[in-house]
Parts: sequence; C-alpha cells; structure tokens
Amino acid sequence: DAGVIQSPRHEVTEMGQEVTLRCKPISGHNSLFWYRQTMMRGLELLIYFNNNVPIDDSGMPEDRFSAKMPNASFSTLKIQPSEPRDSAVYFCASSTPTNTEAFFGQGTRLTVV
Amino acid sequence: SQQGEEDPQALSIQEGENATMNCSYKTSINNLQWYRQNSGRGLVHLILIRSNEREKHSGRLRVTLDTSKKSSSLLITASRAADTASYFCATDPMNRDDKIIFGKGTRLHILP
Repeated sequence: DAGVIQSPRHEVTEMGQEVTLRCKPISGHNSLFWYRQTMMRGLELLIYFNNNVPIDDSGMPEDRFSAKMPNASFSTLKIQPSEPRDSAVYFCASSTPTNTEAFFGQGTRLTVV
Repeated sequence: SQQGEEDPQALSIQEGENATMNCSYKTSINNLQWYRQNSGRGLVHLILIRSNEREKHSGRLRVTLDTSKKSSSLLITASRAADTASYFCATDPMNRDDKIIFGKGTRLHILP
C-alpha cells in the first residue's frame, strides 16, 4: 500500500479563493482524521470520520471550513473563502478500528497570501 | 482541549546522551502512543503502550506508563543526530470511540 496520499503537497492561493485539499486513506482503515499544524497552535484535530461518517467536527475553526468523505477511499477538506491565517500544514491520517496506530500523509502546505 | 501535553516543549542535548520526554494526559485511556515528526514530514508511529503495561522497549526507545499519575515518558538512549525531530504523544481515550488525540510535541535537537 502506498500509504495515506494527500494532494496537493503545496498550495499557494490568494485570500478569498476556495481551497480544496484531498486525501486518500489506506485501504481498510475505517477512521480518517484531518489535522492542522502551525508553530503557534501545534497539531490541531479539525475533524474525524468513522466509516465515512463525520463523528466530531468540533475542531473545525469556522464555517469557512468543511469536510466530506463521500466514500471509504476519499476525503476532502475545503476552505471557502480562504484567509491568510489559514496558512498551515494540513495533515490527513487514517487508522484501523483497533486504533493501534495512525498513519499520516505527507501533508499539504497551504499558504494564503 | 488537548488530551496529551508533552514536557519539555524543547530539548537540546549532546549526541550520545539520553533524552527523556514526558507526557501527561487527563482521562482514562486504552493505549498511549509516541510519534516522531521530522521537519516538513508527516508523523511516524514509534511505539504503543497499552493501559495494562508499565514499560515497553523498542531498540533505543524505552516507554513507561503510569496510569495512576496519567503520565508517560519516552527515553531515547545514546542519542544520534538523526534523532533530531519533534516527538508527540497520542492517547486513545477510553470514553471516546476511534479518536486518537495528540499533544503539542517536544522539539528535540541533538547537538553534534
């Protein structure tokens, strides 16, 4: 398995534009997590899905953020409209039902100018 | 709020010395995990210790867990330059399903 795949690796966009981050979890993993990492706030859990269903989105900062998981092999995190303070590295991770380990993607470095 | 809190936030030691990082958490857990993150990369799983275990070893890594104090420690023996990274603890809370919660990490720097 190629691991958790995120795209794009880097994204630079102008303030006000819509940004869509994509994630393909490891096949067979039923939990998927979206994290945001910055120097100031560290690693923040934004939302997680279990069996494609959003379980806890309390970490989503604002209504500008939305996440979907239409099937077991794909998830998106969308920011509309984007703002400079959204600049961060966004990670997707997936894990098995037993939660013995979370596998992380390489992250998407988002810069909003 | 964050379940795990690592201590110290940053640590610099000489190559060859041992590095100890601590993690405290708030609620009962199923297991606790340690991860490493190299600069610009995703987190990588290092070791897992279950709530009924007190100590676990993996190579140069030694993890302890004290559930009465809700704390864990990660010891890296004979540190190497390649150990320079951020280290995170993550807890699998007993009362929440399928949700691994990470602390803010300890930045470890190994000096040559």
